[in-house]
Amino acid sequence: AQSVTQPDIHITVSEGASLELRCNYSYGATPYLFWYVQSPGQGLQLLLKYFSGDTLVQGIKGFEAEFKRSQSSFNLRKPSVHWSDAAEYFCAVVSSGSARQLTFGSGTQLTVLP
Amino acid sequence: NAGVTQTPKFQVLKTGQSMTLQCAQDMNHNSMYWYRQDPGMGLRLIYYSASEGTTDKGEVPNGYNVSRLNKREFSLRLESAAPSQTSVYFCASSSVPGSQETQYFGPGTRLLVL
Repeated sequence: AQSVTQPDIHITVSEGASLELRCNYSYGATPYLFWYVQSPGQGLQLLLKYFSGDTLVQGIKGFEAEFKRSQSSFNLRKPSVHWSDAAEYFCAVVSSGSARQLTFGSGTQLTVLP
Repeated sequence: NAGVTQTPKFQVLKTGQSMTLQCAQDMNHNSMYWYRQDPGMGLRLIYYSASEGTTDKGEVPNGYNVSRLNKREFSLRLESAAPSQTSVYFCASSSVPGSQETQYFGPGTRLLVL
């Protein structure tokens, strides 16, 4: 069965600093990968997704992610963090089941210091 | 378009009480999903409906039932609530049950079972 690991439960960065959130997946075939963001008290919003092609994927709000098959990783990056980026971030992979269900990592909580 | 809407936003139940969580989408999507979110565990799929008239169990279906009332609406029922069902519940929808389709999430229902 597929799985997603986000090894960092909580990350704190200063506003303007760069950010990298880690995501590792376990999946037998070519994975379809997603990053979602959840602001406090809100639902999940899609930041970006990878299906095939260019391994560097651009998303909304200045985020990007790089798919590295050799490392089974799909890390999320942003060159300069804004205070409004404080949220919880979830990595997800589409399952191999009939419904193509999303399997989520446990999330990384991002705190941004002024 | 309102996207995915959920009612109620918040509910407190006593152990053994029943309730139904409502979800509706106005995007003409075929597939709908119910997830629960618990601290440190990401989102876990409870039930899904790949198309109108079909429903299937997800990862954690015990204690829940669902109804796909029509293409727009997908409800989740707790017949006899238990404290272990205290969680935040999210409904999602996508246009086809395919790997490349984005799931759109509602704002969530916070449920507390005493």
